[in-house]
Amino acid sequence: ETGVTQSPTHLIKTRGQQVTLRCSSQSGHNTVSWYQQALGQGPQFIFQYYREEENGRGNFPPRFSGLQFPNYSSELNVNALELDDSALYLCASSKFGQGAKNIQYFGAGTRLSVL
Amino acid sequence: KNEVEQSPQNLTAQEGEFITINCSYSVGISALHWLQQHPGGGIVSLFMLSSGKKKHGRLIATINIQEKHSSLHITASHPRDSAVYICAIPQMNYGGATNKLIFGTGTLLAVQP
Repeated sequence: ETGVTQSPTHLIKTRGQQVTLRCSSQSGHNTVSWYQQALGQGPQFIFQYYREEENGRGNFPPRFSGLQFPNYSSELNVNALELDDSALYLCASSKFGQGAKNIQYFGAGTRLSVL
Repeated sequence: KNEVEQSPQNLTAQEGEFITINCSYSVGISALHWLQQHPGGGIVSLFMLSSGKKKHGRLIATINIQEKHSSLHITASHPRDSAVYICAIPQMNYGGATNKLIFGTGTLLAVQP
């Protein structure tokens, strides 16, 4: 049990729709990262939020956007869904700062299927 | 060339066997993570190490920073060890290690009874 929860666990959407995925970080963590994991691949970094600001972004188009809230929960939004967006989406929380160990704690993921 | 490479990609073992999974990386790092992913997706962090060796139960992780290589060993393997094992390194920038992880593609381990 990592203390990081994601919802929903599974989701089916059709091409062109929009989706919002949610992540609740472990208590005390101020950083959340989102990853996309296609079938048979390792996770790919989408972006990271630190204290409610985007703090780094991977090679993903602007239709992937995010939010981090004051309670450090987070959302990943994807607009204009494409078939290739079908994947497992993972969030990971950590505490970044002086003395922090930089260990990331992962949620169980949301499996998104785009039809 | 991927920054993080793992071998083997697939591994089948008999219960009780000693297992080794290897990870090589091409950039300087401050630490390396070993992660376990079970079917269904959830990822669990097993180790974060920056030098030498760490042990947790039947799992042992070693790293050689100079050779840019790490190994994960499982002693007395059990069917419940069946999972994907992933190594990951933090992306480095001018400020040092970031919280962004770069992942290998994973090693799928199946331990048969």
